Amino acid sequence: DIQLTQSPSFLSASVGDRVTITCRASQGISSYLAWYQQKPGKAPKLLIYAASTLQSGVPSRFSGSGSGTEFTLTISSLQPEDFATYYCQQLNSYPLYTFGQGTKLEIK
Amino acid sequence: QVQLVESGGGVVQPGGSLRLSCAASGFTFSSYGMHWVRQAPGKGLEWVAFIRYDGSNKYYADSVKGRFTISRDNSKNTLYLQMNSLRAEDTAVYYCAKDQYYYGSGSYYYYMDVWGKGTTVTVSS
Repeated sequence: DIQLTQSPSFLSASVGDRVTITCRASQGISSYLAWYQQKPGKAPKLLIYAASTLQSGVPSRFSGSGSGTEFTLTISSLQPEDFATYYCQQLNSYPLYTFGQGTKLEIK
Repeated sequence: QVQLVESGGGVVQPGGSLRLSCAASGFTFSSYGMHWVRQAPGKGLEWVAFIRYDGSNKYYADSVKGRFTISRDNSKNTLYLQMNSLRAEDTAVYYCAKDQYYYGSGSYYYYMDVWGKGTTVTVSS
C-alpha cells in the first residue's frame, strides 16, 4: 500500500505569511495527487488535483507542485479563512485512494 | 446546484447494523463513481469504499472488507453503505463523495470534487 506522510503535522503562522506543506509518498505516484482543505465540523473541500491544477473557484494564492514522491502545497499569503487542516491524497492506486495524516494550520 | 446529502447515521451497539444513504442532485448521478470516506473523532480522513458508475465493480478498505457493502440505485440517485458487525472503531463521520477525473498529458487524473456534509455513526454499548 502507498503511504503518504505530511510535514509538518502542525504549523503556526500569521496572516500574510507564505506557508508550504509537504507530502511524501512511499513510492512514486507520478502526479496522481490531490489536496483538500477541511475546517472544523465541515466536509473536506478540493483545492488542487493532478498535483498542480487549481480547482475552479479556489483562490490563486493556493498552488501545488511536485511529482513522483514529493509534493508541496503553498499558500502565498495567508488569509484568515485559510486556517484549517490540509490533507494530501494519492490517486495512483485507483480507486483505493489514501490520505496523508493531515497538517493543521493555526494562527500564530 | 451539485449536492450530496447523507442520512442514516445514529447510535448502534457493537455487532449491530446500520444503512447510510447519500442522495445526489444537480448532476447525472448514473455517470459517476462514488466513494464513502470516514473520519473518526479527532482523526484524519480514511477512504472506505468505492462503486463504479454502473455498480459493476466495488472496492473496499481492508478495515471494512466483509462487513460493509456499498451499493447504488441510479433510478433514485442514491448511494448506500450497508454496515454490519459494527465495532467501536467504526465510530466516525461518514461522507459520500463524487468521483471525478481530468484527462491531460495522456493520463486520467482522478479526484473527489463534491462532498456531502456527513452523517455521524456512533458504535457504543
